[in-house]
Amino acid sequence: EAQVTQNPRYLITVTGKKLTVTCSQNMNHEYMSWYRQDPGLGLRQIYYSMNVEVTDKGDVPEGYKVSRKEKRNFPLILESPSPNQTSLYFCASSRRENNEKLFFGSGTQLSVL
Amino acid sequence: DAKTTQPPSMDCAEGRAANLPCNHSTISGNEYVYWYRQIHSQGPQYIIHGLKNNETNEMASLIITEDRKSSTLILPHATLRDTAVYYCIVSRGSNYKLTFGKGTLLTVNP
Repeated sequence: EAQVTQNPRYLITVTGKKLTVTCSQNMNHEYMSWYRQDPGLGLRQIYYSMNVEVTDKGDVPEGYKVSRKEKRNFPLILESPSPNQTSLYFCASSRRENNEKLFFGSGTQLSVL
Repeated sequence: DAKTTQPPSMDCAEGRAANLPCNHSTISGNEYVYWYRQIHSQGPQYIIHGLKNNETNEMASLIITEDRKSSTLILPHATLRDTAVYYCIVSRGSNYKLTFGKGTLLTVNP
């Protein structure tokens, strides 16, 4: 089944403790991206990647890192999480030729205490 | 990218057609209209997109006016599972970013 898989689904952590949210897709998509969703602010793009070893900032990249060493994986790294990064996070992927037809993962609800 | 305007909420009776409007009066010639929906806290789901012609797939139909300044997403026979926030997005191809607004909360009632 074609899908984008995020892990974990829920995560509670404390300020400053490094964490990684994993994202993997099995559709051989070139394009992948991360969004965060907050009440009243909607979905905002954090980072995106057009292909292996190519990443770029979205609208709200501060406090986040990403890497794209393999085509299928696009982990989101929070080196020193803070409470304002408490949010619902979504990973998405698409083909490069039609990169606005996105396939989203199920989401990761992160709480930073 | 062009901005879109959608009503914040709509109701529809189960089994009836749901017609969700979207205004995008500043759309330019190379911009597409995309529709996504998000069922409570799940990942957004792509529904359909179009440039100028009407489009139909297994989920919905997209009607774009001739001047392209507005469009309507039609769910022909709404079910309770269609209750969701529906996002209308205008974007040129290969933009590498979709800007999601507040969308329309469609509630399908029994």
